[in-house]
Amino acid sequence: DTEVTQTPKHLVMGMTNKKSLKCEQHMGHRAMYWYKQKAKKPPELMFVYSYEKLSINESVPSRFSPECPNSSLLNLHLHALQPEDSALYLCASSQDQGNVYEQYFGPGTRLTVT
Amino acid sequence: GIQVEQSPPDLILQEGANSTLRCNFSDSVNNLQWFHQNPWGQLINLFYIPSGTKQNGRLSATTVATERYSLLYISSSQTTDSGVYFCAVTGGSYIPTFGRGTSLIVHP
Repeated sequence: DTEVTQTPKHLVMGMTNKKSLKCEQHMGHRAMYWYKQKAKKPPELMFVYSYEKLSINESVPSRFSPECPNSSLLNLHLHALQPEDSALYLCASSQDQGNVYEQYFGPGTRLTVT
Repeated sequence: GIQVEQSPPDLILQEGANSTLRCNFSDSVNNLQWFHQNPWGQLINLFYIPSGTKQNGRLSATTVATERYSLLYISSSQTTDSGVYFCAVTGGSYIPTFGRGTSLIVHP
């Protein structure tokens, strides 16, 4: 099974709301990723967790807060977002980060900030 | 970081036609993947191909790592092939980088 699941599929939130995106994989992968994708642009890496520790933070604003509770789960906590944060948020996983491994992506969460 | 360039940016084909998509990268890579993003946003793995040649049905890919490019071949295009094709690479920093993609439209 090469499935990565993400919830919710769609999310509309106001600028003062707090919400969370969730990602789950059961492939035994030890690296998990968050990407942000704006319309007609490629995915941009936000965070990488390797063995449940944050290993890469691509200078993402603090209103995005990642969390990796265990090796199968990855959350992205959202607070005080701006309308320009509206995008498709993609989660991915791979067997490892420090070597040559294939990434598998979830279906994404479409976020609209009003 | 590594620069990734994909060409052409847009491609329009009639059903049944063949096409070649190209991905150039600026430095040596540990990892190279081709993805198809469907209209709903799902990124579908096509090939994991840091070097060599692979085939899967009507699709095939070749990566010449020493010359820093990869090619994706689509034969006998179908309307379901429409979407955006991305090349993504990872180098020594282990930070995945995507190209800007090739947007493919296949008309019946």
